[in-house]
Amino acid sequence: EIVLTQSPGTLSLSPGERATLSCRASQSVSSTYLAWYQQKPGQAPRLLIYGASSRATGIPDRFSGSGSGTDFTLTISRLEPEDFAVYYCQQCSSSPPVTFGGGTKVEIK
Amino acid sequence: EVQVLESGGDLVQPGGSLRLSCAASGFTFSSYAMCWVRQAPGKGLEWVSTISADGGRTYYADSVKGRFTISRDNSKDTLFLRMDGLRAEDTAVYYCAKGVSSSPFNWFDSWGRGTLVTVSS
Repeated sequence: EIVLTQSPGTLSLSPGERATLSCRASQSVSSTYLAWYQQKPGQAPRLLIYGASSRATGIPDRFSGSGSGTDFTLTISRLEPEDFAVYYCQQCSSSPPVTFGGGTKVEIK
Repeated sequence: EVQVLESGGDLVQPGGSLRLSCAASGFTFSSYAMCWVRQAPGKGLEWVSTISADGGRTYYADSVKGRFTISRDNSKDTLFLRMDGLRAEDTAVYYCAKGVSSSPFNWFDSWGRGTLVTVSS
């Protein structure tokens, strides 16, 4: 089973700042099968990025994904008030099982 | 508009059973793999089970294998999760999610609002 480790656990930033979130895999993941989701309190997760770097429909271009192998990054170039949420990475490269990272909470500083 | 809507969550005693349903609309249900993902209170996301587009292949997390059964009715655009032998650690919000193709392992592009399952005496 591929374990995904996200860091940091919590990121305290101000609106307008840049957020860099990390997702590290315990073994190599095909970029094709690495995705990122955003979840706000009381809401379902929303797909942000798939294929490590492709934005899902309707996702603003301030969100970008990068990486390969075991190291992947989600970057939010300039935080908007609505971006404060929890972010999860997910792999389905070596499945089953599908695995999720533990999440990174982006909170207002 | 693609929509998936879960139902069936409830309070159930340990050892009990429950069946969740997920009604889909806005897409050709029979062309896509579907899955269940759960989230325990205050915790992260955990994949539970996936079913192929035609229902012929099913996959489970080790934590639910032998207790949960995923199925689908493509004539009624509905996904199911039968849960038996429920344990306290199964307490969670259960989300239905749509895959992006008929392949059983992909990312999930549409999620329901979830249904709460509480296992407690």
